[in-house]
Amino acid sequence: QLQLQESGPGLVKPSETLSLTCTVSGGSISSNSYYWGWIRQPPGKGLEWIGTIYYSGSTYYNPSLRSRVTMSVDTSKNQFSLRLSSVTAADTAVYYCARHGGSYLTYFDYWGQGTLVTVSS
Amino acid sequence: QSALTQPPSASGSPGQSVAISCTGTSSDVGGYNYVSWYQQHPGKAPKLMIYEVSKRPSGVPDRFSGSKSGNTASLTVSGLQAEDEADYYCSSYAGSNNRVVFGGGTKLTVL
Repeated sequence: QLQLQESGPGLVKPSETLSLTCTVSGGSISSNSYYWGWIRQPPGKGLEWIGTIYYSGSTYYNPSLRSRVTMSVDTSKNQFSLRLSSVTAADTAVYYCARHGGSYLTYFDYWGQGTLVTVSS
Repeated sequence: QSALTQPPSASGSPGQSVAISCTGTSSDVGGYNYVSWYQQHPGKAPKLMIYEVSKRPSGVPDRFSGSKSGNTASLTVSGLQAEDEADYYCSSYAGSNNRVVFGGGTKLTVL
């Protein structure tokens, strides 16, 4: 059974960079041409797609966040990562990593449990 | 403001059916058969309920069904049960700029 687990600091100061890693277990991040994504959810609000990465390193970002987002993949560790720069309180959210189940940027079939990141001084 | 429009709330009594709409544009919902629906209980990660407009993942009850007409997709829950009370989100592939868009979510209450 595929499992995803987010990890990283739960508290980030304003103007600094948020960094999270998603560790995939129960399957290879580079198998079967799957794409891997990050989604966030501010407290009490809806879901927002942040971006998606392919095991080869190709990236696709939400246009509204593109200038601040960097995603990377480490196939040797079966992990992919998110960096979000110049954070503000508006970036406070639960951050989820997930796998796209079909081809390309389609549905998300496996999700991590999510990790709350608070932006505060 | 979310890219896809959902009603903030919906409700029904046990055993009844309820439909939740998800309205987009010809650039997302109307342009591709890549609409998906997620169920989210409080404090939990979203769970995939419907993908590619009307397909159900293994393990999802057939009480859940999806459809699409033009720029509007719908999730129908038949034979409502107490455990169906949750937030539901639609999502669509949005082609240009290689985007994924979500709806604002609908809180389903089982009366």
